[in-house]
Amino acid sequence: NAGVMQNPRHLVRRRGQEARLRCSPMKGHSHVYWYRQLPEEGLKFMVYLQKENIIDESGMPKERFSAEFPKEGPSILRIQQVVRGDSAAYFCASSPPDGYGYTFGSGTRLTVV
Amino acid sequence: AQSVAQPEDQVNVAEGNPLTVKCTYSVSGNPYLFWYVQYPNRGLQFLLKYITGDNLVKGSYGFEAEFNKSQTSFHLKKPSALVSDSALYFCAVRDLTGGGNKLTFGTGTQLKVEL
Repeated sequence: NAGVMQNPRHLVRRRGQEARLRCSPMKGHSHVYWYRQLPEEGLKFMVYLQKENIIDESGMPKERFSAEFPKEGPSILRIQQVVRGDSAAYFCASSPPDGYGYTFGSGTRLTVV
Repeated sequence: AQSVAQPEDQVNVAEGNPLTVKCTYSVSGNPYLFWYVQYPNRGLQFLLKYITGDNLVKGSYGFEAEFNKSQTSFHLKKPSALVSDSALYFCAVRDLTGGGNKLTFGTGTQLKVEL
C-alpha cells in the first residue's frame, strides 16, 4: 500500500516561471491537504481539498497560487510567476473522510533562482 | 484559534539519558494533539496522537507523550535517547475551523542526541 506520493522531489524554477507540484493520496483517502515549510520554520497550512472541491483555502496566498483535486488524477498545487520567496518545501497529506490516519508525503522542495 | 507552542528551539541530551521535548497548547473544545518527527530532507513521520482516554500515550520508536489538562501541555518523552533520535520534532493540534481538518504546527524543536 503506497503512501502519499509527491513529485517531483526537487524542482528548480527561474523567477517568473510556473511551478506545478503533484500529490497522489494514499489509496482510500479522499481528502488532500497542502502545507508549506519555509526555511527554519514550521509547517503552515495552505489548502484542504476533496475530489473536485476546495473546502478550506484560508492559508493560500491571494495571488499566483491555486490548487485542484480533479475527479481523476493527482492533486495539483500551481504557483504562477514564481518569486524567490516561494522557495520552500511543499508537503501534501491525505486522510480518509473521518480525518484520522493523516499521512504526509515526502515533499517537493522548490528552489527559485 | 487553535495553537501549540514549542518553547525550545533545540534540546541537547546524552545518549542513554531520558529526553523531553515540550509542547503547550491553546484550544477551544477538546484538544486533538499530535507529535511528528522530521529527518533532514524528508517528510513528516507520525509518532503519536492524543484524542481521548489515558493521559499517557505510547507511540512509535519508544516515544510517549503525557497529556496534562491543567497545565495545557503535551510533552514528548523517551526514557533512553538514541543518537538516531536526532531530528526535528513538531507538535501539532487538529483545527476544525473553516470546515476542514487541518493541523496547526508548532515551530519545531531540534533534538540533538550526543554520544
